Amino acid sequence: SQQGEEDPQALSIQEGENATMNCSYKTSINNLQWYRQNSGRGLVHLILIRSNEREKHSGRLRVTLDTSKKSSSLLITASRAADTASYFCARPEGYSTLTFGKGTMLLVSP
Amino acid sequence: DTAVSQTPKYLVTQMGNDKSIKCEQNLGHDTMYWYKQDSKKFLKIMFSYNNKELIINETVPNRFSPKSPDKAHLNLHINSLELGDSAVYFCASLQGGGTEAFFGQGTRLTVV
Repeated sequence: SQQGEEDPQALSIQEGENATMNCSYKTSINNLQWYRQNSGRGLVHLILIRSNEREKHSGRLRVTLDTSKKSSSLLITASRAADTASYFCARPEGYSTLTFGKGTMLLVSP
Repeated sequence: DTAVSQTPKYLVTQMGNDKSIKCEQNLGHDTMYWYKQDSKKFLKIMFSYNNKELIINETVPNRFSPKSPDKAHLNLHINSLELGDSAVYFCASLQGGGTEAFFGQGTRLTVV
């Protein structure tokens, strides 16, 4: 199965700054999901955006989806050191397959 | 209670050995997965079980075999371990139909 592509692969910012991560994909989707993975831990679901939605918010997170460009972005506003993690986009394929992108490693320095 | 739990968290073993990793979910989900995450954090789906029926096998060597005694459990057996099997293995579950997945904490397998 084809993988989504996140960019950048790595991002280093200071606390208080905004972080933007992008995800591109190649096939049509019903929804797109974003996950966070802290070092040494499992993935945690952050937000799901459906194909008929263009933008969704959850706390300091904002996700956009452009199905015409087959791309999505995750914006973390006013970042904190605790936001340091890897972030993955994922899309369902078929009824039960969930395919992940390669991830963006975010480092937020105090 | 942990929604998806897998054991052990760390596993160090010698080449050629056979080992198992266990996974249990208490969410009542219909679908469970095994993923392999390599050193570059790339997540590759290995198996998916839906109501005890294997529905995906992504070109994984047949040394790997999933075993699901019931809907809440999906164990991973690995025979004749090789150095290249070293990775972090994650169990996950979801209800199906494109919903969110819940992950276990991972099992770091090191083959020496």
